[in-house]
Amino acid sequence: GDSVTQMEGPVTLSEEAFLTINCTYTATGYPSLFWYVQYPGEGLQLLLKATKADDKGSNKGFEATYRKETTSFHLEKGSVQVSDSAVYFCALTPTNAGKSTFGDGTTLTVKP
Amino acid sequence: GAVVSQHPSWVICKSGTSVKIECRSLDFQATTMFWYRQFPKQSLMLMATSNEGSKATYEQGVEKDKFLINHASLTLSTLTVTSAHPEDSSFYICSAPGDGSYEQYFGPGTRLTVT
Repeated sequence: GDSVTQMEGPVTLSEEAFLTINCTYTATGYPSLFWYVQYPGEGLQLLLKATKADDKGSNKGFEATYRKETTSFHLEKGSVQVSDSAVYFCALTPTNAGKSTFGDGTTLTVKP
Repeated sequence: GAVVSQHPSWVICKSGTSVKIECRSLDFQATTMFWYRQFPKQSLMLMATSNEGSKATYEQGVEKDKFLINHASLTLSTLTVTSAHPEDSSFYICSAPGDGSYEQYFGPGTRLTVT
């Protein structure tokens, strides 16, 4: 079945540091890929998405590129802020739009 | 657009009682909704898929009689935790898929505490 493997956390960075959270997936066909963010005590919000190979999703300074050859969708940000502290989930939805598969989540803490 | 609400946002109940959680798609129709459970500092665990007009599909290991799901309309799904016990305390989140790119729209979650 489908699976998503995320870089283990927690990740602690200083403000303005570069962020990478690795995500690799296993799926048949051509799934859509997503990064969701969860702030404390809240539900998940879509951060960015990519629906086909080589697409780059971007939002709020975060980027991720759909790499089919390496089955990866790594999340990056050039300069993190304290307000970016949250849990980040990588996810995929198969081409038949069935249920999504989520990674285990990576907790990011940014210190001033 | 594409907003999903949940009610209540938090609830405290006594052991042995039942609790109903509502999930509504406010500005779109959802023939399918998903219910998740999330333990502290852990990922989402899919509990079941709620299907409008038919029975819910439960994931392996989830008790159907314990977690009753009803998809009453194209905008409402409910999860009822029956005879709740302290081990049912958790954060419950629902989602509904959007069109096109298959992203999920999540509700804000319901914090259930069973005393």
